[in-house]
Amino acid sequence: KNQVEQSPQSLIILEGKNCTLQCNYTVSPFSNLRWYKQDTGRGPVSLTIMTFSENTKSNGRYTATLDADTKQSSLHITASQLSDSASYICVVSDRGSTLGRLYFGRGTQLTVWP
Amino acid sequence: EADIYQTPRYLVIGTGKKITLECSQTMGHDKMYWYQQDPGMELHLIHYSYGVNSTEKGDLSSESTVSRIRTEHFPLTLESARPSHTSQYLCASSGIEVSRNIQYFGAGTRLSVL
Repeated sequence: KNQVEQSPQSLIILEGKNCTLQCNYTVSPFSNLRWYKQDTGRGPVSLTIMTFSENTKSNGRYTATLDADTKQSSLHITASQLSDSASYICVVSDRGSTLGRLYFGRGTQLTVWP
Repeated sequence: EADIYQTPRYLVIGTGKKITLECSQTMGHDKMYWYQQDPGMELHLIHYSYGVNSTEKGDLSSESTVSRIRTEHFPLTLESARPSHTSQYLCASSGIEVSRNIQYFGAGTRLSVL
């Protein structure tokens, strides 16, 4: 069964600190993995997308890594800001259909305190 | 910022009412999607469309229906709302880059059925 598991479920950090969020997946055949940020009451916004051949991708203070062999990804946030408080969702796409079906994790709820 | 709009943002209605959730995008995307998301849970695909006059059911069974008469418009209808339909509904669209299938999300409609 295609699944995406994220950890931790929730995380509280102080402003300015770094943190790392984890994602494990069993989706096959794998196409790409993306991280989305979802603010409370809003739709998800794409942060990074990585294909099989890419093992790291940065977007400002966000750096995502991908190990396609172990089927693991991480999202590292550097020098956190209050505006980083949100749910971070790991999404994996398969290439087994023309739709490019997406499989969503439940997200990690990040809270940044001043 | 993605050009995809959902209305209303919030809706509280009584059981048995007919409702339509609106979704419009100005990006000319062929593919459009409806997801259902409960608090702290992953997004579940309930409907999708490859283009005009094309609609398909997603992974999660839903009593709602959709239509795609125009490229930019993908409304979702519930003929008789029930408390079990209380949830957040997210609309998304994606363009022709099938291998990446980057989906752009609207802000969502939070529906409460009393």
